[in-house]
This record gives sequence, structure tokens and C-alpha cells, in this order.
Amino acid sequence: DQQVKQNSPSLSVQEGRISILNCDYTNSMFDYFLWYKKYPAEGPTFLISISSIKDKNEDGRFTVFLNKSAKHLSLHIVPSQPGDSAVYFCAASVIQGAQKLVFGQGTRLTINP
Amino acid sequence: DAGITQSPRHKVTETGTPVTLRCHQTENHRYMYWYRQDPGHGLRLIHYSYGVKDTDKGEVSDGYSVSRSKTEDFLLTLESATSSQTSVYFCAISPQGIEAFFGQGTRLTVV
Repeated sequence: DQQVKQNSPSLSVQEGRISILNCDYTNSMFDYFLWYKKYPAEGPTFLISISSIKDKNEDGRFTVFLNKSAKHLSLHIVPSQPGDSAVYFCAASVIQGAQKLVFGQGTRLTINP
Repeated sequence: DAGITQSPRHKVTETGTPVTLRCHQTENHRYMYWYRQDPGHGLRLIHYSYGVKDTDKGEVSDGYSVSRSKTEDFLLTLESATSSQTSVYFCAISPQGIEAFFGQGTRLTVV
């Protein structure tokens, strides 16, 4: 039972354009959502997060949108840069002491020059 | 850099042998975690710790045990390695109990 799903295994975007990565979840108890970026042979790097009491959070080129009624979140990267090429994981948790993250399968983003 | 060191970074072991992976943190954070990453599954939580000698199971804990005798060290043990435990293992900490920060990973191959 996959509680967090990223249905697009890969995404290709032209440099300078917008990249939109999507994530769906099924557990309505989740109250915190995160995006991680991962390069090969490295650990995931925290990118941006959002609490369930918000519907948008922005940090520089990265914006996360949360639609609780649809149980959907998305990550927007504008403008996309070659260094953004990586695997992106969305994750969700219930805030109760330990941060037990439930991850999606990941989306490989490729930025083309 | 979250101050997390995993060792070893790579290991090849034979089926049925015990294996211990080590995670060391430099900042005395309370919460520590072990995840495994497999194609098609993202990362899945194996075990976590909320203090010295305080640990609990995650989503995929079968075949694994953990120990935390010091704040800075969190050990993951495969008592008898199987081929299904071939994976990349990541240790993580969560300083504020919210965002988790990950180590570089240990690639384990069981042959």
C-alpha cells in the first residue's frame, strides 16, 4: 500500500523553463510534507517543506503547493537550471516526536540545455 | 553538511553472514533513523531512535536490529544477511524533529 506516490518516473525540461513535479498521498493524517533532491552516490538533500496548515511555500526558485482536498502536492522550479538535474523525492509525515517519513518512488528530472 | 558519517560506504558480504553498519553524528541530536533505498520504492524506514537505548521499528524492520548505546552512534545490524537486503542504506537525523538530514549512504551487496 503506497501511501505516497509519484506517478512520473521521469521528466525532461528545457533549461530556463518551469519544472513541475507532482506527488499524491492517501493518508489524510499526514500533516507535513517535504521535497528532497538526490544526486547519484549522495544522500538525499532537503529542499523545501510545507505544513498542512498552508497551501504554498516559496524558497527562491522553488515553490511547493499543497492541495489537501485532492491530497496532492507539487514542486515548481523556476527557472530550471542544469544543476537541477537529479532525482526528486516527495515525503510525508505525521508530526508526533520522531519524524517518520514516508517517501514516494522518486522522479528523475533532466534539464536539457 | 549535517555532521553525519556512515561507515562503511561500500560493502560486499556473503549470504548468511552478520553485517553491522554504523552511523555517527557530531551534534548530539535526539532522533536518528535508518532508511533503505530500492528502485521503485523510494526510501523506506527500517528503524529509528529517540534517545540512548530508545529505539522502535519502522516500515521494513524484519531481518534488522539496531542499537544506540551513545547519543552519537546508531548501529544497524543484519543478523544473517540475505540477497533481499542488497540495497543502499541511509542514516538520518532530525534536529528539530521535523526535517530529516541524511548521510552519504552505504551501498551493501549480499552475494
